[in-house]
Amino acid sequence: GAGVSQSPSNKVTEKGKDVELRCDPISGHTALYWYRQSLGQGLEFLIYFQGNSAPDKSGLPSDRFSAERTGGSVSTLTIQRTQQEDSAVYLCASSFGTAFTYGYTFGSGTRLTVV
Amino acid sequence: SQQGEEDPQALSIQEGENATMNCSYKTSINNLQWYRQNSGRGLVHLILIRSNEREKHSGRLRVTLDTSKKSSSLLITASRAADTASYFCATDRGANSKLTFGKGITLSVRP
Repeated sequence: GAGVSQSPSNKVTEKGKDVELRCDPISGHTALYWYRQSLGQGLEFLIYFQGNSAPDKSGLPSDRFSAERTGGSVSTLTIQRTQQEDSAVYLCASSFGTAFTYGYTFGSGTRLTVV
Repeated sequence: SQQGEEDPQALSIQEGENATMNCSYKTSINNLQWYRQNSGRGLVHLILIRSNEREKHSGRLRVTLDTSKKSSSLLITASRAADTASYFCATDRGANSKLTFGKGITLSVRP
């Protein structure tokens, strides 16, 4: 597709359950980023994939969070044993090269609600 | 940690007026970018200004960068109701190329 695609767009889950969020970046974009945005807040960096390099996981808030990117394309963010504080909009972005030269293209996000 | 801090937090203007939004940051950068977010949607990249540039234009947008003051401003001229959105500045320090975003400015343009 022409843009960054995220699924599902909305997810309601019970506390303690695991969830998987999917991101399909723009074809040919080598860099992929995950951020989360809590209500009325800015974007909090989670993880960054660049080509075949080891991902930058420095933003993951706990070991309940993990992400992978298969074949340099689709990425899945997994949250295990969800907590209410995990409720947020999870945004994925991709870029061709690095942000030094190009801006990010964002998906519309997945709104996660933990009840 | 928050690198970019925008101000004001909220701005309400009349259609046709100019809107000025400011961003300050703490550490040296390679570039600074501005994004717009309409309610319930992802962010849209507006403009990128490099650390060796002082001013850049794109349509009704004008961005300035003062690296000595570690600040940037985004000016939207002749605002329209459709400009109503949240605006974020983001800084790129270049080391590992992830952007650090501020908390955003909510702009309301009254028709």
